Amino acid sequence: AQKITQTQPGMFVQEKEAVTLDCTYDTSDPSYGLFWYKQPSSGEMIFLIYQGSYDQQNATEGRYSLNFQKARKSANLVISASQLGDSAMYFCAMRELNRDDKIIFGKGTRLHILP
Amino acid sequence: DSGVTQTPKHLITATGQRVTLRCSPRSGDLSVYWYQQSLDQGLQFLIQYYNGEERAKGNILERFSAQQFPDLHSELNLSSLELGDSALYFCASSVAAGRSYNEQFFGPGTRLTVL
Repeated sequence: AQKITQTQPGMFVQEKEAVTLDCTYDTSDPSYGLFWYKQPSSGEMIFLIYQGSYDQQNATEGRYSLNFQKARKSANLVISASQLGDSAMYFCAMRELNRDDKIIFGKGTRLHILP
Repeated sequence: DSGVTQTPKHLITATGQRVTLRCSPRSGDLSVYWYQQSLDQGLQFLIQYYNGEERAKGNILERFSAQQFPDLHSELNLSSLELGDSALYFCASSVAAGRSYNEQFFGPGTRLTVL
């Protein structure tokens, strides 16, 4: 069965520091995609970054990078040079490509950036 | 702005009532997904439609139903509402279905409160 685990319910980080949000997943499907979404207090879900299971390199999008360790089934999100606007809820999610299109979400990590 | 629109933004109703949530996908997107976000269950996939046909079903209650119309907008109908149905309901859309990379763009959500 699909499972996404985010073990950090909340984190406090000083502005301008880098932050790593943990995510582990469980799947028996060799083809899958991993996603990170940001949900600010306003409620909308904002797509941040995607990593495919066959991608050779870690995904990067601006200040966001995904530390993909396939053998460990780990897909941590790294935010460099954090900003006050990064304060939000962050969700790790997965889609098994040989099943259907649904995305399974973790419980999320609430990130607080301190000035 | 993701390009996905949802109406209404807020909905307050009483137990036992029936409501309809509406979603318009991004222009050109054929797939529509419905998710429920509640405090205790997190983000749960409910159902997906692709070009008017149901494609995948998740944890959707029998009291809930959805459809996608020829113009590709979708409606989620919730009936015999219970207090536990209070949640944020998201619609998401994507270009296609079943492809290796299939980013889903989320709408702003409809906040349903059942009193």
